[in-house]
Amino acid sequence: EAGVVQSPRYKIIEKKQPVAFWCNPISGHNTLYWYLQNLGQGPELLIRYENEEAVDDSQLPKDRFSAERLKGVDSTLKIQPAELGDSAVYLCASSSDPNTGELFFGEGSRLTVL
Amino acid sequence: TQLLEQSPQFLSIQEGENLTVYCNSSSVFSSLQWYRQEPGEGPVLLVTVVTGGEVKKLKRLTFQFGDARKDSSLHITAAQPGDTGLYLCAGGADSWGKLQFGAGTQVVVTP
Repeated sequence: EAGVVQSPRYKIIEKKQPVAFWCNPISGHNTLYWYLQNLGQGPELLIRYENEEAVDDSQLPKDRFSAERLKGVDSTLKIQPAELGDSAVYLCASSSDPNTGELFFGEGSRLTVL
Repeated sequence: TQLLEQSPQFLSIQEGENLTVYCNSSSVFSSLQWYRQEPGEGPVLLVTVVTGGEVKKLKRLTFQFGDARKDSSLHITAAQPGDTGLYLCAGGADSWGKLQFGAGTQVVVTP
């Protein structure tokens, strides 16, 4: 069974440029998460989807960040415009059973903003 | 804001030694998870503990959830180089959707 797939693995952009990350969760997983992980820190939740509905986006900086999961399967996270402080790893995770709480993470997309 | 504090931040030991890492909070968690993350990878779940005082063993790893469900520990016996990684604890206060991660303990086991 394929795991959570993210792309690109690495992205280097100049500040003020836009960037987008894509995530394909494990087949059948209704819950999808986007996390941000800074160097030396644990993941911080940006947004959580249940199917196509964003049920928790309270930590998403909505002035520059946006996300979508139109068909309740794959998802895109966008930053426009990017700032230097956005340099981090963006992790996608999915879950099939909210009762067990096990998250399956992708390898992450490492963003460097110059 | 990280509600879970992990200690130590970094731990370097020799193969065969034992180690313990800690996860503490002022908040009560209904359940707690431990993940291990290797460089360039996403975190991978090791265990979930849900009952205060619960102890779970996974081969050479022993996990304990505090009686008050505010703290947890991970003990590794006879560490091996393959145990190297970032160990993260994550707590669920009311639902798994609100999972909070600690900053992690970086463990390095040298041969």
